[in-house]
Amino acid sequence: DTAVSQTPKYLVTQMGNDKSIKCEQNLGHDTMYWYKQDSKKFLKIMFSYNNKELIINETVPNRFSPKSPDKAHLNLHINSLELGDSAVYFCASSPGDSASGNTIYFGEGSWLTVV
Amino acid sequence: AQKVTQAQTEISVVEKEDVTLDCVYETRDTTYYLFWYKQPPSGELVFLIRRNSFDEQNEISGRYSWNFQKSTSSFNFTITASQVVDSAVYFCALSEASTGFQKLVFGTGTRLLVSP
Repeated sequence: DTAVSQTPKYLVTQMGNDKSIKCEQNLGHDTMYWYKQDSKKFLKIMFSYNNKELIINETVPNRFSPKSPDKAHLNLHINSLELGDSAVYFCASSPGDSASGNTIYFGEGSWLTVV
Repeated sequence: AQKVTQAQTEISVVEKEDVTLDCVYETRDTTYYLFWYKQPPSGELVFLIRRNSFDEQNEISGRYSWNFQKSTSSFNFTITASQVVDSAVYFCALSEASTGFQKLVFGTGTRLLVSP
C-alpha cells in the first residue's frame, strides 16, 4: 500500500533519448511535486501541481514536461536527455492544506542514469 | 531569500552515543514550518517531524528529540542512544507562507554513520 509510488525505480538510457517517469499517490492529496536530488545529495523542487494546475515551475529546462492527467497522478517526461540529467527524481504529494503545514510525503525515488 | 544550513557534512559515532544534528535557517516570513527528513541507504525520503514557527516547544519521540529556538533560528535534532539503524542522511527543510507552504527548501544534509 505504497502512498506515493513512482516507476521505474531505475532507468539507464542514452543521451538524446526521451523518457518518462510515472507517479501516483493514493493519499487523496491535492498537490503533487517533482524534486531532483543531484549527485551531491542536494534536493531541489522542480514542479508543483495543485488539482492538475501547475503552481511552481522552478526554472527547469523546457525539456522537462510534467503532465497531470488527474490529481492522483503526476508524470515527468524528459526530452533529449543530457548527461547532466542523471540524478534521483522524487515524486511527492501533500494535502495542500496550509493549516497543517502541508507536510510533503515522498516516493521512493527514480534513479536516472544517462550514458 | 530563504535558506537552510546544515554545517555538519558527516558525523560518525559509536552505537549508544548521543548525537545532535544542527540546522540553522533564514527566512523573512513570520509564518513558516520546519521539517526533518531521513534518507536511509535504501534511498527513500522519510518524514520525521514538522514544527510551525509559533510553536517553540521541544518535542520528544522515543529516542528522537527536537529543539526549536527562534532566537537563534535553529531547529536541532538529537538522537539519544544511537543505533546502527540510525545511519542515514538527515535533511532539515523549510517551507514558508509566502509560497503557500508548497515549496520545501532543503539543507545540504548531514550524513550520520553509527558504527557497532
